[in-house]
Amino acid sequence: QKEVEQNSGPLSVPEGAIASLNCTYSDRGSQSFFWYRQYSGKSPELIMSIYSNGDKEDGRFTAQLNKASQYVSLLIRDSQPSDSATYLCAVYGSGNTGKLIFGQGTTLQVKP
Amino acid sequence: GAVVSQHPSRVICKSGTSVKIECRSLDFQATTMFWYRQFPKQSLMLMATSNEGSKATYEQGVEKDKFLINHASLTLSTLTVTSAHPEDSSFYICSARFRGLAEAFFGQGTRLTVV
Repeated sequence: QKEVEQNSGPLSVPEGAIASLNCTYSDRGSQSFFWYRQYSGKSPELIMSIYSNGDKEDGRFTAQLNKASQYVSLLIRDSQPSDSATYLCAVYGSGNTGKLIFGQGTTLQVKP
Repeated sequence: GAVVSQHPSRVICKSGTSVKIECRSLDFQATTMFWYRQFPKQSLMLMATSNEGSKATYEQGVEKDKFLINHASLTLSTLTVTSAHPEDSSFYICSARFRGLAEAFFGQGTRLTVV
């Protein structure tokens, strides 16, 4: 089992719809969770961090964390073509290595 | 603006030569820097973790004599790809963590092409 798993997609949604991106992780002791966006040919850009169970909203983005289910998700409301990118879920392991463990990423396509 | 600056953004070198990539933290002192490699349509692969003033910790399968990492100060880490070969062509990205922050921030990445 991979430490951080994402559906590689592509996930295709129409403009204006809600895009839902999902991620599961294997280390039950993980405490910090992040979503990065990576445009083709560019480096990842941090868009959300979440540390507590529940929802965290920032503009059109909402991160959801359920530690009991070892599940973290990202919702993008009112999806725009400019949201088309690969979204990477990242988790710190419970050991004090300081290393971020990345999922393989989900490619999102927002169609006008 | 960017808190981590990486240079060069693109480099083309001849097979057998060495290439140095710099990663600088701009506004804050980085406690830890990470180096990743990414092949097309693949996820990030962590190569090594670098703490200021200490030797880098390499991930399994990464040749430390080929990928030399120096973290001489709290604001600068360098990755040198020695005796580069075409199979080393890839997108190399650094990231940094800062004291008191859980988030890691990425540099712009370096597209290395070995011909």
